[in-house]
Amino acid sequence: GAVVSQHPSRVICKSGTSVKIECRSLDFQATTMFWYRQFPKQSLMLMATSNEGSKATYEQGVEKDKFLINHASLTLSTLTVTSAHPEDSSFYICSATYRDTFSNQPQHFGDGTRLSIL
Amino acid sequence: QKEVEQNSGPLSVPEGAIASLNCTYSDRGSQSFFWYRQYSGKSPELIMSIYSNGDKEDGRFTAQLNKASQYVSLLIRDSQPSDSATYLCAVRGGSNYKLTFGKGTLLTVNP
Repeated sequence: GAVVSQHPSRVICKSGTSVKIECRSLDFQATTMFWYRQFPKQSLMLMATSNEGSKATYEQGVEKDKFLINHASLTLSTLTVTSAHPEDSSFYICSATYRDTFSNQPQHFGDGTRLSIL
Repeated sequence: QKEVEQNSGPLSVPEGAIASLNCTYSDRGSQSFFWYRQYSGKSPELIMSIYSNGDKEDGRFTAQLNKASQYVSLLIRDSQPSDSATYLCAVRGGSNYKLTFGKGTLLTVNP
């Protein structure tokens, strides 16, 4: 159980292109989804927290106009990197969780999207 | 500022040995603790969760939590080369579901 699907797994595109990444919870309703970025040999950096039906909460230093997040349903969140540039090249990973009585549920991660901007 | 500290390693153990991974955290209000494994180039995979003081065993893995010392550890018995990965300690406090991750410990199991 608790499977999170992320698509696409890899994107290579030209500078200035906007790229959309999808994150789906396949067998549970994800009340909260998270978007992370990871540079080589570094730890995960949380970009934003997304609750279904409400605006995403961005971490300090993350440009909300650059990284558009939509969480329109309990099973789908999207991250759009607008007008991507080479410095946006990174490994983007989503995770999902759901609320339970004890607030103990872990985050379950998608397989990640490797974004390369030429 | 909530912090989670891990020894970055690399930690190198021979095949069949016990690997011991440690983690300390700064927020005394933390309630949930997780260990994730991340292979190079892949996303993190949940391997253990622990919520109360003491030990929790799952197969070859044992998580240990000591809230008084703000310390959580992961033991891997009978280590296998396939266990070679970066192990991330993650801590959550409160109800916002955000995790604070350590920087990870790179484990290498030598055949």
